[in-house]
Amino acid sequence: GAGVSQTPSNKVTEKGKYVELRCDPISGHTALYWYRQSLGQGPEFLIYFQGTGAADDSGLPNDRFFAVRPEGSVSTLKIQRTERGDSAVYLCASSPGPLQGDYGYTFGSGTRLTVV
Amino acid sequence: GNSVTQMEGPVTLSEEAFLTINCTYTATGYPSLFWYVQYPGEGLQLLLKATKADDKGSNKGFEATYRKETTSFHLEKGSVQVSDSAVYFCALGRVSGGYNKLIFGAGTRLAVHP
Repeated sequence: GAGVSQTPSNKVTEKGKYVELRCDPISGHTALYWYRQSLGQGPEFLIYFQGTGAADDSGLPNDRFFAVRPEGSVSTLKIQRTERGDSAVYLCASSPGPLQGDYGYTFGSGTRLTVV
Repeated sequence: GNSVTQMEGPVTLSEEAFLTINCTYTATGYPSLFWYVQYPGEGLQLLLKATKADDKGSNKGFEATYRKETTSFHLEKGSVQVSDSAVYFCALGRVSGGYNKLIFGAGTRLAVHP
């Protein structure tokens, strides 16, 4: 597609529920990134995919968080047993490759997750 | 470790005023530096960048100079407009683990009034 698409744009869920957040990157982009932006903070790195594999998942806060990219395109961020502290905007970005000289990240508009 | 510190907001200015948003960084080696902007309801957009010391990035009237001696990358604009109202993020980029990794500051909200 023309840009990075994230769905849903807003998600409200109850504490303890499971949620999935979807990211559809720019067609042909092999690198995909997830960031989390808490209220009043800058985006914080969660995970990086190169192709189908998670090359760096060091930013995932705990084992309730998991992400997949089975066909090297669309990615899903999965959060189990959600907690109120998970409330944030989850941002996805993609780039043509992992070592673009201009750090050509294109960000989506994000999914605002609210855990009540 | 690598980190970015930027001035707290909100910054409130009248139209045509001069803007400075301070940004300093801590990093090993020689990172690239960026300013991203987030307009209400939109995704992060790259505003400008600089990849080495003394480089000046510029776009849409905004400028920032990579100052290695002061580890700074302050954002400036000579005359702001109401349409510049947004949240501005300073970021550094490092090659880490075979890919470019961006590390962001906390953001500075700018409100420009007519």
